[in-house]
Amino acid sequence: GEDVEQSLFLSVREGDSSVINCTYTDSSSTYLYWYKQEPGAGLQLLTYIFSNMDMKQDQRLTVLLNKKDKHLSLRIADTQTGDSAIYFCAESRSMEYGNKLVFGAGTILRVKS
Amino acid sequence: GAVVSQHPSWVICKSGTSVKIECRSLDFQATTMFWYRQFPKQSLMLMATSNEGSKATYEQGVEKDKFLINHASLTLSTLTVTSAHPEDSSFYICSAREAGGFGDTQYFGPGTRLTVL
Repeated sequence: GEDVEQSLFLSVREGDSSVINCTYTDSSSTYLYWYKQEPGAGLQLLTYIFSNMDMKQDQRLTVLLNKKDKHLSLRIADTQTGDSAIYFCAESRSMEYGNKLVFGAGTILRVKS
Repeated sequence: GAVVSQHPSWVICKSGTSVKIECRSLDFQATTMFWYRQFPKQSLMLMATSNEGSKATYEQGVEKDKFLINHASLTLSTLTVTSAHPEDSSFYICSAREAGGFGDTQYFGPGTRLTVL
């Protein structure tokens, strides 16, 4: 299909790890992104991964990429209450007029203290 | 770095009036800016892509005469919602892609909440 798909909701306890999954569609996507959105705010770039990488780690964040299955995941270690937000994955898609980002529906992460 | 601002952050207007929203890249030059619309508990819907100095490219189903986009400089794009109606009420978010930046990374503004009465 045309859609980028994500699990809609995840609830974890403070201190646990969170894993948010995403399936994308365009095998030619050069970059894949994770953005975070807090209530009433815009999107904050969390991290990205280049398509020739399998894994990228950035402090508490680990991104895993399985190109064969077009599967992307974001792991947040030691999840904190401040991590509660909506997380969007996005793929870069080539169009006639330039590249655009196509977003998943977002995963709501709730962290319980 | 890579800060994008939007103004106003929220606006309430009467039906039939026009509303202008500004999007500025504060510390970088943006060759391309994007306008999105987000409904409650939903993902972002790309409305249009604008390149500095040229006409915007609108996504299918978006009325170009209703949503006027101007990208007059490398740091400013505006979205004007003309003759706004209650169904135009939404959260509008802009983003900017840095000239010479890596990949297709977009930096987002904080959004503008539009309520049409």
